[in-house]
Parts: sequence; C-alpha cells; structure tokens
Amino acid sequence: DAGVIQSPRHEVTEMGQEVTLRCKPISGHNSLFWYRQTMMRGLELLIYFNNNVPIDDSGMPEDRFSAKMPNASFSTLKIQPSEPRDSAVYFCASSTQGHSNTGELFFGEGSRLTVL
Amino acid sequence: DAKTTQPPSMDCAEGRAANLPCNHSTISGNEYVYWYRQIHSQGPQYIIHGLKNNETNEMASLIITEDRKSSTLILPHATLRDTAVYYCIVRVAGAGGFKTIFGAGTRLFVKA
Repeated sequence: DAGVIQSPRHEVTEMGQEVTLRCKPISGHNSLFWYRQTMMRGLELLIYFNNNVPIDDSGMPEDRFSAKMPNASFSTLKIQPSEPRDSAVYFCASSTQGHSNTGELFFGEGSRLTVL
Repeated sequence: DAKTTQPPSMDCAEGRAANLPCNHSTISGNEYVYWYRQIHSQGPQYIIHGLKNNETNEMASLIITEDRKSSTLILPHATLRDTAVYYCIVRVAGAGGFKTIFGAGTRLFVKA
C-alpha cells in the first residue's frame, strides 16, 4: 500500500497568493483528517471528514481556510489569501474509524508551507 | 483540549528500557488509550492502543493501571532511532465520530 500521499511536499509562496494542498488517503479508509503543526502550537486538528462529509471544522482558523473532499480518494485544503502566519507543516491522515471507537491514524509525510 | 498529561522530556540509555508515563484521570469507560510517536519532521506514527488490558506488539508494550487513570508505554530495548516525541492520546468523542487531539507529548532522548 502506498500510504497517505500528500502534495506538494514543499511550497513557498508570497503573501496574498492562493495555496492548495492535496491529499490522497489510503484506499478503503473512510475518515480523513487535516492537521497543522508549528513550533508554537504543536499539532492542531483543523478539520475531519467521515465518508467524504465534513464532520467537525472547529479547528479551521478562519474563513481563509477551506477544505473539500469530493470523493473517497481525494481531499484539498485551500488557503486564500495566504499570510506569513500560515507557514507550517500541514499533515493529512486517514483512518477506518468513524463511529467506531478504534482505528489508528495513518499520516502522510506532510506539506511544508512557507509564506513570505 | 488533550485529555492526557505527560512529562515534557525524558532520557534513556541505548539498550535499556524506556518507560514513558501518561496520566488520563478523566478517561471514560469505553475510551481507548493510543500512543503515537513523531520522529523529527515526519508524520506521527501509530504505536499501540489499549482499553484496559495490557497490550504488546512488535514495537512496544502498553501497561494500563487497573483504575485506567494512567498508563505506561514501554520500549523494551531503546535504540538511537527511538529518539522522538511520544504522544499519549485519549480520543475525544464528537457528533460524527472521534477526534484525535495531540498534546505536547514527551520528547524522548535515547543516548549512546
């Protein structure tokens, strides 16, 4: 199995530009999670989906952030417009959990975003 | 908010057992304890989970106290490659499932 695949691995952009991060979960997994990691705030859960439906987006920092999951094999996290404080590593994870109480998360390698 | 507390850092000699403690005094009866680790800038990696019985796999052992208010992750023979941040997690139930909330974790340094 290829695992969770994220792209791009690295992105450097200028303030005000639109950024789109992509994630392909493990085939057969029905839950997908987006996390952000910074030195100051650690790993933060931004949003998660069950069966392609957004369940909890309470961690999304503001309206500049949006996430979609059009099908079971693809999700995007978009930042528009980007700001320097959005610089972080963004992780996508997938799982077979949902309403069940078990099911570990499998993480991708992350997308390192730098906003100048 | 994370439902667990862990020491911020620990040291361990290479080849010795690393015992990482975790307190989860507010855990509910049907909530599992999960452990993950994150090596440098990689994505977190699942290690083990348990409900109330002790668990062992090829990576580690998990010892959960009888009252389930604390647990210990044991790496039986730590190597330099086990240097990482270790997260103890009790998932938070939400409207549509369970959320995995990461705390600050324990930074384990394995020394030669």
